[in-house]
Amino acid sequence: GQQLNQSPQSMFIQEGEDVSMNCTSSSIFNTWLWYKQDPGEGPVLLIALYKAGELTSNGRLTAQFGITRKDSFLNISASIPSDVGIYFCAGQPENTGNQFYFGTGTSLTVIP
Amino acid sequence: EAQVTQNPRYLITVTGKKLTVTCSQNMNHEYMSWYRQDPGLGLRQIYYSMNVEVTDKGDVPEGYKVSRKEKRNFPLILESPSPNQTSLYFCASTQGGSYNEQFFGPGTRLTVL
Repeated sequence: GQQLNQSPQSMFIQEGEDVSMNCTSSSIFNTWLWYKQDPGEGPVLLIALYKAGELTSNGRLTAQFGITRKDSFLNISASIPSDVGIYFCAGQPENTGNQFYFGTGTSLTVIP
Repeated sequence: EAQVTQNPRYLITVTGKKLTVTCSQNMNHEYMSWYRQDPGLGLRQIYYSMNVEVTDKGDVPEGYKVSRKEKRNFPLILESPSPNQTSLYFCASTQGGSYNEQFFGPGTRLTVL
């Protein structure tokens, strides 16, 4: 099955720094979703993107749907300790009903 | 409160003993899915359902069954569990139509001995 390439795999940053991560795919996607997962819990949806070029913010988080429809990025500005966790991208290819593919995750550590 | 619930949250069983993990959503969503999460492999879709009595295979369906007799429930059945099905399982639901946001349950950690 398809897998999304998500990078970086892990990040260690100082509190207050900005963070950027991205996902790429070999196929065109209709939808990109970004999730955060804390240990022992299910992924929580952060941002949903539906159109090529779309740029959407949720507080300090900003995500964009790439114009080629094969990539997306997530930025976190002014990181804080509670941003720690694993971030996943997910994409839905064209004409696949409810089939989603996930990236392997970016583990974020914020050093106070 | 809008949510996806799963039961049990933790389960230890032995090879070959049939088990069912239940999933229920109270958001009247059309679509529901099951995923397994393994280290280094991320989340992989097992099965999904686009409506009552409509199910389809995801990426890793072998060894699993599902049913969708009611809109709110989507149980995952392991007829004869094996150790390679030890994993963290998540159920998710999606409204459908123009809205493809998936909402996840809290997870079920399954260990097959």
